Amino acid sequence: EVQLVESGGGLVQPDWSLRLSCTASGFTFGDYDMHWVRQAPGKGLEWVSGVSWNEGNVGYADSVRGRFITYRDNVKNTLYLQMNYLRAQDTAVYYCTRVPPYCHGDCYFDSWGQGTPVTVSS
Amino acid sequence: QSVLTQPPSVSAAPGQKVTISCSGSSSKIENNNVAWYQHVPGTAPKLLIYDNNKRPSGIPDRFSGSKTGTSATLGITGLQTGDEADYYCGTWDSSLSAGQGVFGGGTKLTVL
Repeated sequence: EVQLVESGGGLVQPDWSLRLSCTASGFTFGDYDMHWVRQAPGKGLEWVSGVSWNEGNVGYADSVRGRFITYRDNVKNTLYLQMNYLRAQDTAVYYCTRVPPYCHGDCYFDSWGQGTPVTVSS
Repeated sequence: QSVLTQPPSVSAAPGQKVTISCSGSSSKIENNNVAWYQHVPGTAPKLLIYDNNKRPSGIPDRFSGSKTGTSATLGITGLQTGDEADYYCGTWDSSLSAGQGVFGGGTKLTVL
C-alpha cells in the first residue's frame, strides 16, 4: 500500500523557518517525481513545489521561490520542504504528493499524504 | 484567482446525478489532459479521474470524466452522502523544470 506521511508542521512566528518531511513507503520512492501542494484556510489547492526523481529538476511557485527549498533523500525515502522567512500567507495544510513516472509532461498527482498544518503567526 | 474555473458549489439529492464543470484557456485544458480530485477537509485528497476520463483502480464507475475543447466535466451518479466533499479539476504545466500542477478553485458538493 502506498503511504505518504508528512510531519514537521507547527506554529511559528513570521520570518522563522520550518522543515517539513514526507516519508514514503509501499513503492519505489526513487522512481517518482514528488511535489508539495498546500491549502490555506478557506482556500483551494495550490501547487508549491516539485522535484524530479533524481533532483535534476526542481521548481517553485512564484509565491515561495527564493524562500522555500525542496529536496529529497532516496535512501531514506523522504521528501523535504525547507521553509524560510515564513509569512502569514504561508499558513496552510501542506500535502506531499507523487506523480506517476513516464507521464510525459501531461501529469497528475496519483497519491497524497494526509497533510501537516503550518501556522505562521506572532 | 485560479486559471481553471469551477462553480463554487453544487448540490443534489441522494441517488441523483450531478455534474461539475471546469473551464480554462486552450493552453490549459484543450492542450492538456484533465484530472479530478476529491478532497474531504482534514483528509488526503484522492485522485478520481486522470487523462480526462480514466479511473484509477478502486474508483467506482459512478464517477466519470469528459473533456470537450476548453471545458471538462466530472459526473457523479447515484449520489451518496459520503460523496460530500470538495472537488478540484487539475491540469499540468510543463514549462517549469519539474512540471507544475494547476488546479481549479474547487467545487463544494452538498448531498441534500
